[in-house]
Amino acid sequence: DAKTTQPNSMESNEEEPVHLPCNHSTISGTDYIHWYRQLPSQGPEYVIHGLTSNVNNRMASLAIAEDRKSSTLILHRATLRDAAVYYCIPPGAGGTSYGKLTFGQGTILTVHP
Amino acid sequence: NAGVTQTPKFQVLKTGQSMTLQCAQDMNHNSMYWYRQDPGMGLRLIYYSASEGTTDKGEVPNGYNVSRLNKREFSLRLESAAPSQTSVYFCASSEGLAGGVYEQYFGPGTRLTVT
Repeated sequence: DAKTTQPNSMESNEEEPVHLPCNHSTISGTDYIHWYRQLPSQGPEYVIHGLTSNVNNRMASLAIAEDRKSSTLILHRATLRDAAVYYCIPPGAGGTSYGKLTFGQGTILTVHP
Repeated sequence: NAGVTQTPKFQVLKTGQSMTLQCAQDMNHNSMYWYRQDPGMGLRLIYYSASEGTTDKGEVPNGYNVSRLNKREFSLRLESAAPSQTSVYFCASSEGLAGGVYEQYFGPGTRLTVT
């Protein structure tokens, strides 16, 4: 099964960029890499997904390594509202088989004013 | 457009009691899911329903049953609650399983305590 490695926690200051790394070395096939986040006392929310090239949306950017064994979620200007647990969902059978999402421990992002 | 709604928000049960957690979505999604999240942990999939009329076990199905009542509603039943089932339960929905993109929409959760 595919597994991910993320730092347990990271800190940032408000309005600074944040780069959240994820290693998913046991990647398989052509499955998408997904990122979700969970704000305090809420359900997870979808952030972004990508396959091979970098992706941008209104929430974040996703940079994917050429070998697809790692990815980085980029928040261009962190706000206090971005303080959350960020989950990198491994691609393939370990993470997104038949639509099921496998959530690991994630990275706790703290944003300082 | 309420998205995914769950009832109740909080529940306390005694060991051995039963209850049903309700979930509904108004996005016309085909697939629905039940997850549990224990303190300090990530989510684990209990059951899912790929489409109306089908249900399948996830990672931790023991002690639970589900019913896909119609396209909108997916309920989770605890027949005989145990303290190990104390958790936060999240329902989610998505358009489907095809295409490899899994944008799931989550409800606010039900916080269940079993004493």
